[in-house]
Amino acid sequence: EDQVTQSPEALRLQEGESSSLNCSYTVSGLRGLFWYRQDPGKGPEFLFTLYSAGEEKEKERLKATLTKKESFLHITAPKPEDSATYLCAVRNSGGYQKVTFGTGTKLQVIP
Amino acid sequence: NAGVTQTPKFQVLKTGQSMTLQCAQDMNHEYMSWYRQDPGMGLRLIHYSVGAGITDQGEVPNGYNVSRSTTEDFPLRLLSAAPSQTSVYFCASSYSRLAGGTGELFFGEGSRLTVL
Repeated sequence: EDQVTQSPEALRLQEGESSSLNCSYTVSGLRGLFWYRQDPGKGPEFLFTLYSAGEEKEKERLKATLTKKESFLHITAPKPEDSATYLCAVRNSGGYQKVTFGTGTKLQVIP
Repeated sequence: NAGVTQTPKFQVLKTGQSMTLQCAQDMNHEYMSWYRQDPGMGLRLIHYSVGAGITDQGEVPNGYNVSRSTTEDFPLRLLSAAPSQTSVYFCASSYSRLAGGTGELFFGEGSRLTVL
């Protein structure tokens, strides 16, 4: 059974203080690792898809990286508007719709 | 382009009542799915559909029914509501692999259901 573990559960940063969120996974035949952002009271919003170890993707202050066992979401010089819960998910080779989500990291960036 | 639209946003039910959560998308996505989100647990797949007329069970299907008569709509029916079904429900859609999809999900804003 696929498993996704995110850490820490919550993270509080000062504005401008860079950090990383971790997503550890076990999956039978990785067919994609996804990062989503979820604001309170809203649905998740897609950020990145990574497919193979060594792959990196960037968007503004966010950079996602992937190894064979984990993914990191690096946040450089965060701003208060980056405050949200960040979800990690993996898709295995068993089916296009079979996606397993982690419980998320709640990020708070303080001005 | 509204994306994925869910109604209602909030609902309170009594145990044993039935109801339907509505989901519509205007992106011509083949794939649609329903998830529930509970505190301390990741999003869990309830049911999904790969096209009109085709549905299948996800991880937690018991107590729920779905149908897909059109590409745009994918309603979720609670047959006899139980307190364990108190949750936030999200509908999501995506392009099929044949259409060049990469598995990226587009989510609605959620329907918050309380069963007393």
